[in-house]
Amino acid sequence: EIVLTQSPATLSLSPGERATLSCRASQSVSSYLAWYQQKPGQAPRLLIYDASNRATGIPARFSGSGSGTDFTLTISSLEPEDFAVYYCQHRSNWPPITFGQGTRLEIK
Amino acid sequence: EVQVVQSGAEVKKPGESLKISCKGSGYSFTGYWIGWVRQMPGKGLEWMGIIYPGDSDTRYSPSFQGQVTISVDKSISSVYLQWSSLKASDTAMYYCARNRDGYHDYWGQGTLVTVSS
Repeated sequence: EIVLTQSPATLSLSPGERATLSCRASQSVSSYLAWYQQKPGQAPRLLIYDASNRATGIPARFSGSGSGTDFTLTISSLEPEDFAVYYCQHRSNWPPITFGQGTRLEIK
Repeated sequence: EVQVVQSGAEVKKPGESLKISCKGSGYSFTGYWIGWVRQMPGKGLEWMGIIYPGDSDTRYSPSFQGQVTISVDKSISSVYLQWSSLKASDTAMYYCARNRDGYHDYWGQGTLVTVSS
């Protein structure tokens, strides 16, 4: 089973700053990686799929990059509504599917 | 408009059985996998399993194999998650979500299951 490790566990930033979140896979997942955002009391929302493609309706400030085992989610300039928990997920040889443990993005 | 709507919150006692539902609409129900994801209080997302309504092909995460049953009723565009004997550790929020090419693109609102004596 492929394990996804996200870092950091918590990231404290201010609105307007740039956020960089990392996801590392225990073995190559090619470009088969997605990012989700979850706000308190809400279901997760798909942000990025296949490492770098924004899902429908996702603002351009969200971008994804990487391939193989190392991936990054970048939020270019944080808006107040971006403070949430972010999860990565791979689909290499799915099913099964696995999620990372999450990164909490909090207001500094 | 694609919608995924789940059944309401449940409060059960240990040892009881339970079946929760997830209804898809606004798309070809039989053409997309639908999966279930568990989120225990204050914790992360755990993928449980998935079903393809077109032929009822079902796959489980090794962690949940034998612990739950996923089923479908195509006639009413609904997928189910079922327990035969609940435990306190099954207390969690359960999400269903449509899956397109391995990614969950539309999510239900979640069903909170509380198991307590």
